[in-house]
Amino acid sequence: AQSVTQLDSQVPVFEEAPVELRCNYSSSVSVYLFWYVQYPNQGLQLLLKYLSGSTLVESINGFEAEFNKSQTSFHLRKPSVHISDTAEYFCAVRKAGSARQLTFGSGTQLTVLP
Amino acid sequence: SQTIHQWPATLVQPVGSPLSLECTVEGTSNPNLYWYRQAAGRGLQLLFYSVGIGQISSEVPQNLSASRPQDRQFILSSKKLLLSDSGFYLCAWSRGTPEGYGYTFGSGTRLTVV
Repeated sequence: AQSVTQLDSQVPVFEEAPVELRCNYSSSVSVYLFWYVQYPNQGLQLLLKYLSGSTLVESINGFEAEFNKSQTSFHLRKPSVHISDTAEYFCAVRKAGSARQLTFGSGTQLTVLP
Repeated sequence: SQTIHQWPATLVQPVGSPLSLECTVEGTSNPNLYWYRQAAGRGLQLLFYSVGIGQISSEVPQNLSASRPQDRQFILSSKKLLLSDSGFYLCAWSRGTPEGYGYTFGSGTRLTVV
């Protein structure tokens, strides 16, 4: 079975600084990878996903993530964060060939400080 | 386009009372449906998932149950709530096929058991 590890539970960062949220997964088979964002008291929203092709994927609001198969990682980055990026971020993995559920990491709370 | 509705948004219930949370999906057929719980300071815990009418898989043994009386309706229930049932409950759906699609989440229900 696959598993997902988000190494940092809390990441405080100043506005306009760069940020990296780390995600590592373990799986012996091909996987699809996702990042979700959750604002307070709301459901999760899909931020970006890797299915195949280019290992670098981007979201519409400036986030990007790179799939690294050798390191089994899918870290999320943004070169310059805004106060509005404050939220909880979840990494998730789905086994290719499976119609079953995603496996989520424990989440990383990103807090952007003024 | 597909939409997912979850209600109520907030709920305060006494210990020992029953529970019924409802989730419906529009704009698709035969979705996979999921119930997650998010306790304070913890990640997402998969409670139940369903791949078809009347087909429910339980991931965690507890005093909650789920039912799928119609193709796009998923209900989370309890006969007697416990204090530990407090949390943020999220419904989600995904396509069974093709592969690679992530989940779409509802807006969540904040349940407080008092």
